[in-house]
Amino acid sequence: AQSVTQLDSHVSVSEGTPVLLRCNYSSSYSPSLFWYVQHPNKGLQLLLKYTSAATLVKGINGFEAEFKKSETSFHLTKPSAHMSDAAEYFCVVSRGGYNKLIFGAGTRLAVHP
Amino acid sequence: GAVVSQHPSRVICKSGTSVKIECRSLDFQATTMFWYRQFPKQSLMLMATSNEGSKATYEQGVEKDKFLINHASLTLSTLTVASAHPEDSSFYICSAELGQVEAFFGQGTRLTVV
Repeated sequence: AQSVTQLDSHVSVSEGTPVLLRCNYSSSYSPSLFWYVQHPNKGLQLLLKYTSAATLVKGINGFEAEFKKSETSFHLTKPSAHMSDAAEYFCVVSRGGYNKLIFGAGTRLAVHP
Repeated sequence: GAVVSQHPSRVICKSGTSVKIECRSLDFQATTMFWYRQFPKQSLMLMATSNEGSKATYEQGVEKDKFLINHASLTLSTLTVASAHPEDSSFYICSAELGQVEAFFGQGTRLTVV
């Protein structure tokens, strides 16, 4: 069975400082992993995805994530936070493709001036 | 990217009434759409997989008689919450799969049952 654990429910950073949102996964299969962002009262937007190609995945808006099989982790990072990055972020695992996405509990990112 | 439109964005209904939520893929055809539910401060949980022209596949614990799904065309799936009760109040969100390349999400529907 697949599962995903987001280690922090809330993260607060200052504008211009690095962002780290942590995610660990559990999967019996070779997983596909995703990060989605949800802004208030809006739908979900795909930030990036890992599907067994390069372990360092670059996404939109300067975000990237590194797949580490030995640590079963897929942490999301960004070198410099922007105010517009404030949102809810979900780490997601699936068995493959976009069938039966399993969402983590979410991490709310706050960015302060 | 592709656009998925969900309507309505907010709905308030009286207990015992039924509510229909529409999910449309505006610029692509989606043979498969998914319906999720998100309780306050919780994550999204997959409710069902909607396949065009066939019956939906429901996740364990989801009442198929309460959450009626119809995927009548390649661009439209509907979720009807039958005889809604306050415990059905939640944020419902759909996604449409684009050829197993990516899933695009609607804006979500906040249902409040009073």
